[in-house]
Amino acid sequence: DTAVSQTPKYLVTQMGNDKSIKCEQNLGHDTMYWYKQDSKKFLKIMFSYNNKELIINETVPNRFSPKSPDKAHLNLHINSLELGDSAVYFCASSQRRGAGEAFFGQGTRLTVV
Amino acid sequence: SQQGEEDPQALSIQEGENATMNCSYKTSINNLQWYRQNSGRGLVHLILIRSNEREKHSGRLRVTLDTSKKSSSLLITASRAADTASYFCATVQSTGANSKLTFGKGITLSVRP
Repeated sequence: DTAVSQTPKYLVTQMGNDKSIKCEQNLGHDTMYWYKQDSKKFLKIMFSYNNKELIINETVPNRFSPKSPDKAHLNLHINSLELGDSAVYFCASSQRRGAGEAFFGQGTRLTVV
Repeated sequence: SQQGEEDPQALSIQEGENATMNCSYKTSINNLQWYRQNSGRGLVHLILIRSNEREKHSGRLRVTLDTSKKSSSLLITASRAADTASYFCATVQSTGANSKLTFGKGITLSVRP
């Protein structure tokens, strides 16, 4: 069983569209994250949730809205997609309110055309 | 801003040689972690070292931490072609009751057969 799974793996869409990426973890972890990795492999934290509560919200445009229906799921919805949103988005989870090792999903490669 | 800065940015060695990668950070930390990312994949946790630890071993990996210099090193001994990947250090800082995991820019390691 995959520990952290995110879907879809690839997403190609036009500018202005709205899209969602889903993430689920079956590890029983209390903390989940969204990271964005750009073309230079720079990994930037976007959001962090602990038991469905938003605890970290970096300077991310409000077109990005995370939603955590329960502590095993953290979805990312993006409105009005822009070319600069093209990147690989990683979901991750960890224990101990974020202090433990993180387990990553396989990534979603988003291409905005 | 990124917390960790790794050096070198790229490293190319012959199979069987040792690889040493360094990481420096700016603020106080709870722990420091190293991750590996193979091309097109998610990140995989390698090792975690707590702020009160100075050295840790795991198989062919050796990690050191010098909190006075705010630096860490990852040594991979007897490298193999399969070690070819990007390596990231990540620091955990406490933010109240929660923690934040922040990544450095990464080091690209190439191991020539």
